[in-house]
Amino acid sequence: QSVLTQPPSVSAAPRQRITITCSGGTSNIGSNFVHWYQQVPGKAPKLLVYDDHSLSSGVSDRFFTFKSGTSASLAISGLQSEDEADYYCASWDDTLRTLVFGGGTKLTVL
Amino acid sequence: EVQLVESGGGLEQPGGSLSLFCAASGFAFDDYAMHWVRQPPGKGLEWVAGIRWSSVNIDYADSVKGRFTISRDNARKSLSLEMNSLKIEDTALYYCVKDKSYSSSGALDHWGRGTPVTVSS
Repeated sequence: QSVLTQPPSVSAAPRQRITITCSGGTSNIGSNFVHWYQQVPGKAPKLLVYDDHSLSSGVSDRFFTFKSGTSASLAISGLQSEDEADYYCASWDDTLRTLVFGGGTKLTVL
Repeated sequence: EVQLVESGGGLEQPGGSLSLFCAASGFAFDDYAMHWVRQPPGKGLEWVAGIRWSSVNIDYADSVKGRFTISRDNARKSLSLEMNSLKIEDTALYYCVKDKSYSSSGALDHWGRGTPVTVSS
């Protein structure tokens, strides 16, 4: 069981918009930054968004994030086939003194 | 260009030991925290351990605490992970990862390709 909870999968057609949620607690998301990673099958993960809302260099502005209390979300608009990947949220946990990841969400572009 | 190249993975029996190494280049290694993150076959990411730029602060996941030791050599720009008392559940692809910060922020901006570790009898 992951400390951060994500839906296992989401799917949508090209050009649609999806949202991936990440639910945590007061010791992680509630008091620390959230980061988002994209992992294409067979490749190493890539930092997509850091410190809640900052896009990594070269990342499309079709990606944007929300955060409120102990939850965060990653939204992708104008879905493209290249967006098919696994997406992970992560945050430092002050109680565990560890970096915690969500279980990952597999995005399928229909 | 930032490069992180892992080595040292392989097949080991339960209860055995392995040492992983990561050679870093293309950035000021001693300015950044470093981490090991693993991914079991077909599963999600699991943070293993992190070490700040000065090695003063070191943290471990509960699943490896007391068995794994992370260390760094800033002069040689290298990161290591000594793994003892290996368990079958340690089987995974192990990534060497650079933090965006000198402390363990969790914003991991560069990843190696990973080195596979298999624990099996």
